[in-house]
Amino acid sequence: DTEVTQTPKHLVMGMTNKKSLKCEQHMGHRAMYWYKQKAKKPPELMFVYSYEKLSINESVPSRFSPECPNSSLLNLHLHALQPEDSALYLCASSQVSNNEQFFGPGTRLTVL
Amino acid sequence: GIQVEQSPPDLILQEGANSTLRCNFSDSVNNLQWFHQNPWGQLINLFYIPSGTKQNGRLSATTVATERYSLLYISSSQTTDSGVYFCAVPGFGNEKLTFGTGTRLTIIP
Repeated sequence: DTEVTQTPKHLVMGMTNKKSLKCEQHMGHRAMYWYKQKAKKPPELMFVYSYEKLSINESVPSRFSPECPNSSLLNLHLHALQPEDSALYLCASSQVSNNEQFFGPGTRLTVL
Repeated sequence: GIQVEQSPPDLILQEGANSTLRCNFSDSVNNLQWFHQNPWGQLINLFYIPSGTKQNGRLSATTVATERYSLLYISSSQTTDSGVYFCAVPGFGNEKLTFGTGTRLTIIP
């Protein structure tokens, strides 16, 4: 299985809502990533988990809270977001050793 | 941090044409990936190519690590090749990928 899955595909939320994005992989990868992509821009790294521990936080605001409950799952908890947080959120996974990353289809988030 | 520039930024071609996309990076790297982002946003892995040349059907890629560039060749373009092509290289510690600026390819029937 060489697939990374993400749910939901689309999400619309208000600024006071709490929601979560989910990512799953069954490739035996021990590194997982969250990226944010704005329109007509390249993806930008948000967080890296290595062996289920947070190893990189790219100075992301605390309204984004990542969680890695096990080696196959990665969540991104969202709370009190702003309209400028509307973007495509991409999850990826890789072996720790060679960093060849495989991406999920993304969640398109709109904050009203 | 490492800088990654791609050229051209936009390319419009007739179906059946060939194209070359370029990726320049500012520091030495130990691997490089090429991706195709389709109109729905999915990033599709094309090549993992630290150095040398690889081919996959109508696509091939060459990385010259010593000169800090990589090229992606697309032959006999099809409309399904449309989308944005990104190269990406690892940053310090090999844990993060830095993406290039992208090339938007449009193939006209």
